[in-house]
Amino acid sequence: AQSVTQLGSHVSVSEGALVLLRCNYSSSVPPYLFWYVQYPNQGLQLLLKYTTGATLVKGINGFEAEFKKSETSFHLTKPSAHMSDAAEYFCAVDLMNRDDKIIFGKGTRLHILP
Amino acid sequence: DTAVSQTPKYLVTQMGNDKSIKCEQNLGHDTMYWYKQDSKKFLKIMFSYNNKELIINETVPNRFSPKSPDKAHLNLHINSLELGDSAVYFCASSRNPESTGNNEQFFGPGTRLTVL
Repeated sequence: AQSVTQLGSHVSVSEGALVLLRCNYSSSVPPYLFWYVQYPNQGLQLLLKYTTGATLVKGINGFEAEFKKSETSFHLTKPSAHMSDAAEYFCAVDLMNRDDKIIFGKGTRLHILP
Repeated sequence: DTAVSQTPKYLVTQMGNDKSIKCEQNLGHDTMYWYKQDSKKFLKIMFSYNNKELIINETVPNRFSPKSPDKAHLNLHINSLELGDSAVYFCASSRNPESTGNNEQFFGPGTRLTVL
């Protein structure tokens, strides 16, 4: 069963516009949630994470995400897109089970239009 | 002062060969992982090691074998390479998830393997 769903394999926004990348998860217990970014030909870098506490999480490069338990969502946003934000973004879930592994979504490629 | 490093970055080889990819982390982490990223960018975990003990082994062919000489290294050996093994392989590390309560992972730059 798919535990992490990222809507849209490609998202295009104009420079300066709002960025919204969607992530929904399925879990019987509140999971830990992550967003990773992968720039071209590079490894994955943690953008932000939610474990407990405040549901609005701020990350690097002006990104933030909000954990909404009722919607089982953890969407990533940035108020104003920059050309350097063009990358692949992965949502990931730690299901807090004995396997000690996190599940990655299939990724969303963010394109920034000049 | 790279946190997680992998060598080589690129590896091109013929079918049937045996090859290794090395991974080292200098973060003092207890757990290391290998992921395979296919052509569609999908990330799939292959192995993880915690204190030199294999704790995850997904449905990966036994041609793939992880080897951890010490806590800072987790190498990936691949025997009898096949065309379908072509992918980008990422190493990652994390503190012990049981002690920290979350599984934040730090990734290496990746190794692009091309099998001809």
